[in-house]
Amino acid sequence: EAGVAQSPRYKIIEKRQSVAFWCNPISGHATLYWYQQILGQGPKLLIQFQNNGVVDDSQLPKDRFSAERLKGVDSTLKIQPAKLEDSAVYLCASSLDRGSGEKLFFGSGTQLSVL
Amino acid sequence: SQQGEEDPQALSIQEGENATMNCSYKTSINNLQWYRQNSGRGLVHLILIRSNEREKHSGRLRVTLDTSKKSSSLLITASRAADTASYFCATGSHGSGNTGKLIFGQGTTLQVKP
Repeated sequence: EAGVAQSPRYKIIEKRQSVAFWCNPISGHATLYWYQQILGQGPKLLIQFQNNGVVDDSQLPKDRFSAERLKGVDSTLKIQPAKLEDSAVYLCASSLDRGSGEKLFFGSGTQLSVL
Repeated sequence: SQQGEEDPQALSIQEGENATMNCSYKTSINNLQWYRQNSGRGLVHLILIRSNEREKHSGRLRVTLDTSKKSSSLLITASRAADTASYFCATGSHGSGNTGKLIFGQGTTLQVKP
């Protein structure tokens, strides 16, 4: 079974630039998550999709972050413009999710450095 | 917001010793999960314990859950150098729509010395 695919693996940009991350979840997984993990901290949920609909984006900084999940499969997360504090690892995860928080399968993440 | 708080933040032991990590949370949950993260990698699911369970085993892992105290512990027995990683607890609850919601704690960094 193929895992969750993310790209790019690393990205270095200057502040005020824009950046996009891509995620391909495990086939058949209805729920897709984007987490932000700052060095030394646990993952923080940014946005959660079920199929192609958003079910939770309460912690997404909507003035600069946006995400979409076209056709309920792949997803992209965009930051525009980036700030220094956005430096983090962005993790994508997916799950079958039958409504009670099943286990998540994570990708390797994209490490973003904003200079 | 972070739901779980883990203790200790860092733990260093010798190979062969047992490692115990604790997690406390604040709100009601459907399940509690533990994940491992090796440096520079994504998280890997270790074990899930449901709110109506008190103890669960998987290989060298033992998880307990005390819903009255809103706490859980992860025990790794006979640790190996390869167990060196960060360990996170995550609480699962009902989210919006028909989905679950998983909130992670800050993690415990475990170092196992050979």
